[in-house]
Amino acid sequence: AQSVSQHNHHVILSEAASLELGCNYSYGGTVNLFWYVQYPGQHLQLLLKYFSGDPLVKGIKGFEAEFIKSKFSFNLRKPSVQWSDTAEYFCAVSSGGGADGLTFGKGTHLIIQP
Amino acid sequence: SAVISQKPSRDICQRGTSLTIQCQVDSQVTMMFWYRQQPGQSLTLIATANQGSEATYESGFVIDKFPISRPNLTFSTLTVSNMSPEDSSIYLCSVDGGSGSDTQYFGPGTRLTVL
Repeated sequence: AQSVSQHNHHVILSEAASLELGCNYSYGGTVNLFWYVQYPGQHLQLLLKYFSGDPLVKGIKGFEAEFIKSKFSFNLRKPSVQWSDTAEYFCAVSSGGGADGLTFGKGTHLIIQP
Repeated sequence: SAVISQKPSRDICQRGTSLTIQCQVDSQVTMMFWYRQQPGQSLTLIATANQGSEATYESGFVIDKFPISRPNLTFSTLTVSNMSPEDSSIYLCSVDGGSGSDTQYFGPGTRLTVL
């Protein structure tokens, strides 16, 4: 069975600080990796995804994530955060093939202080 | 990406009753999924609904408690039966992006409170 671990449950940063949110997964086969974001009062939105190829993937709003297969990690980064990045961030994994649901981490609540 | 709507957006229900949640998509999709997000927790997959076949339930979820219908390629319902306060959660439907995209897009969710 798949599992996803997000190490930081609550993160508070000041504007312009750099961000890195950790995500590790456990699964023996090929995986698809995702980061979703949920802004206050809004529904879950896809931030970025990795299926194959270049392990450094870029998403919306200046976010990027790096897949490190040897570490089973898919950490999310942003060089300079903004107040509008305040949200809940979820890392998720699927086994691919399109028919499988997602396994989510517990989420990281990010607060950006102006 | 598909536009997904859910009804109701929120509801407050009495213990022992049932609630049916509707999920409507603006385009035809093969796979639809139902998730639960309990207070302070992450999303947990309840079941996968493929049109024309029985839903596939994850461990810990049973059809008697969470019956699902998938009558066509744009619509699905999830019923939460014989509710108890432990069923208070946000219930979300999602759809696959189609054409082998392997990406899911989520509806706005239904916030259910059981008294």
